[in-house]
Amino acid sequence: QQQVKQSPQSLIVQKGGISIINCAYENTAFDYFPWYQQFPGKGPALLIAIRPDVSEKKEGRFTISFNKSAKQFSLHIMDSQPGDSATYFCAASIRVETSGSRLTFGEGTQLTVNP
Amino acid sequence: NAGVTQTPKFQVLKTGQSMTLQCAQDMNHEYMSWYRQDPGMGLRLIHYSVGAGITDQGEVPNGYNVSRSTTEDFPLRLLSAAPSQTSVYFCASSRIGSSNQPQHFGDGTRLSIL
Repeated sequence: QQQVKQSPQSLIVQKGGISIINCAYENTAFDYFPWYQQFPGKGPALLIAIRPDVSEKKEGRFTISFNKSAKQFSLHIMDSQPGDSATYFCAASIRVETSGSRLTFGEGTQLTVNP
Repeated sequence: NAGVTQTPKFQVLKTGQSMTLQCAQDMNHEYMSWYRQDPGMGLRLIHYSVGAGITDQGEVPNGYNVSRSTTEDFPLRLLSAAPSQTSVYFCASSRIGSSNQPQHFGDGTRLSIL
């Protein structure tokens, strides 16, 4: 049972374009929504994150948009660059009494930015 | 800063063999976890630990064992490898507290079971 659904599975964008990756979740107990970026041969690394009481968070060219009522959130990469080519994972975190928190990941999106 | 170190980086096993994937972190993080990454399925939690001597199961624990004797180390054991365990395995660590603690990942172990 996938509690966090991510789309698209792959995305090709031209340099300078906007990349948009979407995620939807079911569990309203999730209280933190990070995005991780993964380059080939490396582990995922935290890119940007948002709490559900905020509708948008921007860090440089990366923006998270959050729609609590629709239980959806998305990552926008403005002015996409070839160096942004990577796999992106959305995730949702839930507070767990015994372990602090627990992350559930989406399926991942492989982004290719053509020069 | 080493962060989270995983060894080996690559491994090929035959069905039925056993092996241990090593994970060590130098950030004094209480929480450590193991994930497996398969195409189209994201990262799925195998086992996790909130401190030395404390471990618990994640989403896909079958076929794997863990132990946590020190804060730094969290090895993952495959007792009898099966082809379905062919995957990329990631170890991660974080502080315990609120849910906004970022997880720090190692660079993975790529495991093939023949």
